[in-house]
Amino acid sequence: GAVVSQHPSWVICKSGTSVKIECRSLDFQATTMFWYRQFPKQSLMLMATSNEGSKATYEQGVEKDKFLINHASLTLSTLTVTSAHPEDSSFYICSARPTASGSPLHFGNGTRLTVT
Amino acid sequence: GQSLEQPSEVTAVEGAIVQINCTYQTSGFYGLSWYQQHDGGAPTFLSYNALDGLEETGRFSSFLSRSDSYGYLLLQELQMKDSASYFCAGTGGYQKVTFGIGTKLQVIP
Repeated sequence: GAVVSQHPSWVICKSGTSVKIECRSLDFQATTMFWYRQFPKQSLMLMATSNEGSKATYEQGVEKDKFLINHASLTLSTLTVTSAHPEDSSFYICSARPTASGSPLHFGNGTRLTVT
Repeated sequence: GQSLEQPSEVTAVEGAIVQINCTYQTSGFYGLSWYQQHDGGAPTFLSYNALDGLEETGRFSSFLSRSDSYGYLLLQELQMKDSASYFCAGTGGYQKVTFGIGTKLQVIP
């Protein structure tokens, strides 16, 4: 149980275009999902908390207008990287937990974004 | 906020035991998790400690001492496939999970 599916697994796009990444909880409902970014050989950095039916909560230094998050249902959150630049190239990973309090996060397989 | 400290690299011999330590500073601490990540892959969940003590899952065990803000991951009977990065992660206020820098474990023959 507790499967999180992320799509696509990799994407290459040109500078200035937008890319949408989907994160689905397959066998549980998630009122909250988390989006992380990981640069090579570095740790996972929390970008934002996606809240079903309300606005996402962004971490300090993360541009809201650049990284658009939508959590339209209890099983789907999307991250759209708008006007992508090469420095946005990274590994983006979503996560969710089946219950609200303290249970561990389960991660999607990640999306490797390369902006040319 | 939260911060977690763990060693950046550890090398151990196949068949041996290795312990990866993690100290944390966090407000509203709920628990400590451990994740394994192979190069190019996503993190996979290993264990979670909400209470003090030792949790054992097969060859892996995890320990937490809330009074010492300290935990560790113990890997026994090391196998070559255990070579990966291991992250400790703290769950704090608003259920946010913050990751340590990761410990790159190299298992050698």
